[in-house]
Amino acid sequence: EVQFVESGGGLVQPGGSLRLSCAASGFPFSTYWMHWVRQAPGKGLVWVSRINSDESARMYADSVKGRFTISRDNAKNTLFLQMDSLRAEDTAVYFCVKDDHLWQLSTWGQGTLVTVSS
Amino acid sequence: QSALTQPASVSGSPGQSITISCTGTSSDVGGDDYVSWYQQHPGKAPKLMIYGVRNRPSGVSIRFSGSKSGNTASLTISGLQAEDEADYYCNSYTSSRTGVFGTGTRVTVL
Repeated sequence: EVQFVESGGGLVQPGGSLRLSCAASGFPFSTYWMHWVRQAPGKGLVWVSRINSDESARMYADSVKGRFTISRDNAKNTLFLQMDSLRAEDTAVYFCVKDDHLWQLSTWGQGTLVTVSS
Repeated sequence: QSALTQPASVSGSPGQSITISCTGTSSDVGGDDYVSWYQQHPGKAPKLMIYGVRNRPSGVSIRFSGSKSGNTASLTISGLQAEDEADYYCNSYTSSRTGVFGTGTRVTVL
């Protein structure tokens, strides 16, 4: 069974940093693209970032480009999102998502809440 | 990267069919067949319902179907059931090699 355990969320002040982790199990993690998607409280889904299987290609939404960095450790089956220069508008639940093939976001984690507030 | 446009709400009676539209541009929805649809119940993670415009993952009811015409994709739910009441989001790959979601549609079963 495919499973994700997300961690690293919490309360941070504007301008601060957080690193989210997503530990994957139940599938050959190193062969799949992975994404981060976020959802502000009471709002819709927003695509954040994507990384291919060997980290050779990373893409970002304009709203986080230059502030967020996606990475992965295939030896530890773990996906990361380093978030710097955080803003109030980054407050959201962040989901890690498995991409089965060409933008089939097939399996979602339960999400980790990030709150940016002073 | 503007969000794709969906109606805020759609409703129907049990047994009826409803259709949710998802309008983008030639740089996303109209550019290729990488359009997918997601169902989200309150407090839950989203679930993939349709991928590649019209393909259903294993385990998804045949009552759910997808299509596309030009820059607009559509999700149709046939034989509406109480359990279909949820939020629905479309998603498309873009020419910038990024992704974009729709604004979301609340489906209500009357």
